[in-house]
Amino acid sequence: EVQLLESGGGLVQPGGSLRLSCAASGFDLSNYAMSWVRQAPGKGLEWVSTISGSGGSTYYADSVKGRFTISRDNSKNTLYLQMNSLRTDDTAVYYCGKDGGPGGYFFDHWGQGTLVTVSS
Amino acid sequence: EIVMTQSPATLSVSPGERATLSCRASQSVNSNLAWYQQKPGQAPRLLIYGASTRAAGISARFSGSGSGTEFTLTISSLQSEDFAVYYCQQYKNWPLTFGGGTKVDIK
Repeated sequence: EVQLLESGGGLVQPGGSLRLSCAASGFDLSNYAMSWVRQAPGKGLEWVSTISGSGGSTYYADSVKGRFTISRDNSKNTLYLQMNSLRTDDTAVYYCGKDGGPGGYFFDHWGQGTLVTVSS
Repeated sequence: EIVMTQSPATLSVSPGERATLSCRASQSVNSNLAWYQQKPGQAPRLLIYGASTRAAGISARFSGSGSGTEFTLTISSLQSEDFAVYYCQQYKNWPLTFGGGTKVDIK
C-alpha cells in the first residue's frame, strides 16, 4: 500500500525557514517524480514544485522560485521541501504527491498534509 | 501559464441526480487533464486522468470527457459520499495549474 507522510510544519515568523519532509512507503520512490502542492486556508490547490525520479530535474512555481528548494533522498525514501524567506502568503497546508506514472505529472497518491503558518 | 476555469463554483444537486461539472483551459492541453475530489479536512483524491481514464478503485459513476480546452466530469447518480469539492488540473505545460474548484452540495 502506498503511503505518504508529511512532517515538519509549524509556526514560523516572516523571513524564517522551515524544512518539510515526506516519508514514502509501499513503492520504489526512485521510479517516480514527486511534488509538493499547497492549499491556503479556505482556498484551492496550488502546485508548488516537482522533482524527477532521479532528482536531476526540478520545477518551481514562480511564487516560490528562489526561496524554496525541492530535493529527495531515494535511499531514505524521503522527499523534502526547504522553505526560506517565508512570507505570510506561504501559510497553507502542504501536501506531497506521487506522480501517476509515465504520461504526465498528475498525482495518484497524496499525503495527509502538514500545516505551515507564517505569522509574527 | 495555462489558466484553468471551472464552472459553476457551486452546484446544488439532489441525491440520485446527475451532476455535470465543467473545466476550461485557456489554451489546448490535449488530454493532459486530471480531476480530483476533496472532502473537508482530507487530502485530494485522484478520480480521472488523461481526461477520461478512471483511477484505480474509482466508481463507474464518475466519468470524464473532453479534449483540447473543454472538459467535463459527470457523476451519474450522486451518492451521499460524493458531496465534495472537485478540482481539475492540467499537466501539459509547466507550471502545473489547477482550476478554482466546484463545490457539489446537497440540494
